[in-house]
Amino acid sequence: AQTVTQSQPEMSVQEAETVTLSCTYDTSESNYYLFWYKQPPSRQMILVIRQEAYKQQNATENRFSVNFQKAAKSFSLKISDSQLGDTAMYFCAFMKPRINNNDMRFGAGTRLTVKP
Amino acid sequence: DAGVIQSPRHEVTEMGQEVTLRCKPISGHNSLFWYRQTMMRGLELLIYFNNNVPIDDSGMPEDRFSAKMPNASFSTLKIQPSEPRDSAVYFCASTRYLGGNQPQHFGDGTRLSIL
Repeated sequence: AQTVTQSQPEMSVQEAETVTLSCTYDTSESNYYLFWYKQPPSRQMILVIRQEAYKQQNATENRFSVNFQKAAKSFSLKISDSQLGDTAMYFCAFMKPRINNNDMRFGAGTRLTVKP
Repeated sequence: DAGVIQSPRHEVTEMGQEVTLRCKPISGHNSLFWYRQTMMRGLELLIYFNNNVPIDDSGMPEDRFSAKMPNASFSTLKIQPSEPRDSAVYFCASTRYLGGNQPQHFGDGTRLSIL
């Protein structure tokens, strides 16, 4: 079974600084997808970024980028120029797509606080 | 575009009462998921549907929980009778189809408190 590990329960960063949240996963599959979701205090679950395992190029969405290391099974999220609105829980998620099936696993989350 | 819509946003009720949570997926999305989030167990997948058909309900904790999807635009999660340990935030999510790289889009959740 696939497992997702976020080893940092809590992190903090100064506004405008850069922070990296780590995520590792365990799988024997070669084709899969990885996601980072953000859950602010409003408790919405917002998709931040996604990565296809077959793509070598790291995904980027504005200030958010990932460092995908397939061999190491690592999928870290880098937030540049941190803003107060980035304060939230961040969940890493793994999905092994199958026809007519779903296998999406979430990590336990990392609580990020951006300090002014 | 409207996202996933859940109602109610908050629900407080006494143990033993029936609770019904509602979800409207994004139009055109064929798959719908129900999750439960607690501090102790994180996000747990309870059940998911594809084309209105339940595919996997192995995450449903016990027979007190049931879910239905009578049509493509509506699903319910029912707890009867409710117990204090059911208190959690319940999320509904939808995706265009299973497989591929389709992410799940989440509703705002229902915070359920059983007294």
